[in-house]
Amino acid sequence: EPEVTQTPSHQVTQMGQEVILRCVPISNHLYFYWYRQILGQKVEFLVSFYNNEISEKSEIFDDQFSVERPDGSNFTLKIRSTKLEDSAMYFCASSVVAYSGNTIYFGEGSWLTVV
Amino acid sequence: AQSVTQLDSQVPVFEEAPVELRCNYSSSVSVYLFWYVQYPNQGLQLLLKYLSGSTLVKGINGFEAEFNKSQTSFHLRKPSVHISDTAEYFCAVITQGGSEKLVFGKGTKLTVNP
Repeated sequence: EPEVTQTPSHQVTQMGQEVILRCVPISNHLYFYWYRQILGQKVEFLVSFYNNEISEKSEIFDDQFSVERPDGSNFTLKIRSTKLEDSAMYFCASSVVAYSGNTIYFGEGSWLTVV
Repeated sequence: AQSVTQLDSQVPVFEEAPVELRCNYSSSVSVYLFWYVQYPNQGLQLLLKYLSGSTLVKGINGFEAEFNKSQTSFHLRKPSVHISDTAEYFCAVITQGGSEKLVFGKGTKLTVNP
């Protein structure tokens, strides 16, 4: 079964460093997402991406965050200058379409630890 | 804005016992409803979803959920659980025809004991 793949599975970085989390969405999907889960808290929406641009973002997704689809297969989340509070599990997800209850498929997550 | 409440953070049960994981939501507009499961060290996997039609929805691994519009609930049930069902279960909603984002509950950790 096709799946969303994420790398790295775990990254430790120093505060203030830039981090790039990578994802390969399911190949025929058109919508891509990033969610995060801080330990012990809810899974939260960060951003959705369609047709090479952000289609929706949450208040969490500030200027420190950016997303990009650098080629036909990868989808990346960049955090420019990491803070301690960015420590979380980051989930990439994709779906064929949005707005119609289509299933959103999630990757296994990238656990980011900022020290 | 939508919100999802999962009333139980942890549910311990014995193997072969029935289980119900509760989920209530709040929304001013119609929503689609989902249950996701996260096994240890894995990602989120869709168990089942309610879009329309019959309010009783069957999913994978013998789970089912019932949508109750008047009570704004979408409780997840399984008549007989296995050790392998030990996982975290997340209820989520998404606005019909509106936002693209899933809004999740805090999750319920189901532990099945022998």
